Amino acid sequence: QQPVQSPQAVILREGEDAVINCSSSKALYSVHWYRQKHGEAPVFLMILLKGGEQKGHEKISASFNEKKQQSSLYLTASQLSYSGTYFCGTEDYTGRRALTFGSGTRLQVQP
Amino acid sequence: DAGVTQSPTHLIKTRGQQVTLRCSPKSGHDTVSWYQQALGQGPQFIFQYYEEEERQRGNFPDRFSGHQFPNYSSELNVNALLLGDSALYLCASSLVSGWAYEQYFGPGTRLTVT
Repeated sequence: QQPVQSPQAVILREGEDAVINCSSSKALYSVHWYRQKHGEAPVFLMILLKGGEQKGHEKISASFNEKKQQSSLYLTASQLSYSGTYFCGTEDYTGRRALTFGSGTRLQVQP
Repeated sequence: DAGVTQSPTHLIKTRGQQVTLRCSPKSGHDTVSWYQQALGQGPQFIFQYYEEEERQRGNFPDRFSGHQFPNYSSELNVNALLLGDSALYLCASSLVSGWAYEQYFGPGTRLTVT
């Protein structure tokens, strides 16, 4: 069962912030976030492990709530280069090291 | 540092034919996973290879098979192609050791079945 991502799509102006959510019905070991631009491969952003940690990567950070099996990706002061489709990939205890991806969140940053 | 490479880039096949896709993992990685990505969807896990064996498999029929070679490179074979097999096929490599790992994707092979 794939994780549910929300929102499905979002349009931002440069400099605005956005939050993308990922929710699973399964107990998760880790959550992986990727960004994919049209016609390209998904690019790894970060991995979050159970324990409720929060990580950051430049102006992109993420959190993982192990109790709720939810992860959120935070994009602050968005740039044009942030445009693309964001996927969360979840790893549960039945399929270790096999990622189940959500259907994606399409993010468009406009000047 | 060479990243994940895949070949060919594009492929057009006819229904019923067989196809072989190839993947070379990122330097230092020993595990290869294959994913199928339909247009507008997230990648779907096909299977994973480590130590030349299939370690895990997703919900794909036996028409999908694979192989891993001693140099960690991998092949994905699909027999009796169906129109629904048209998709972007992604290979991702990772390092199996440790409790946390990162998967890096290759550029993919775009398969079109006519």
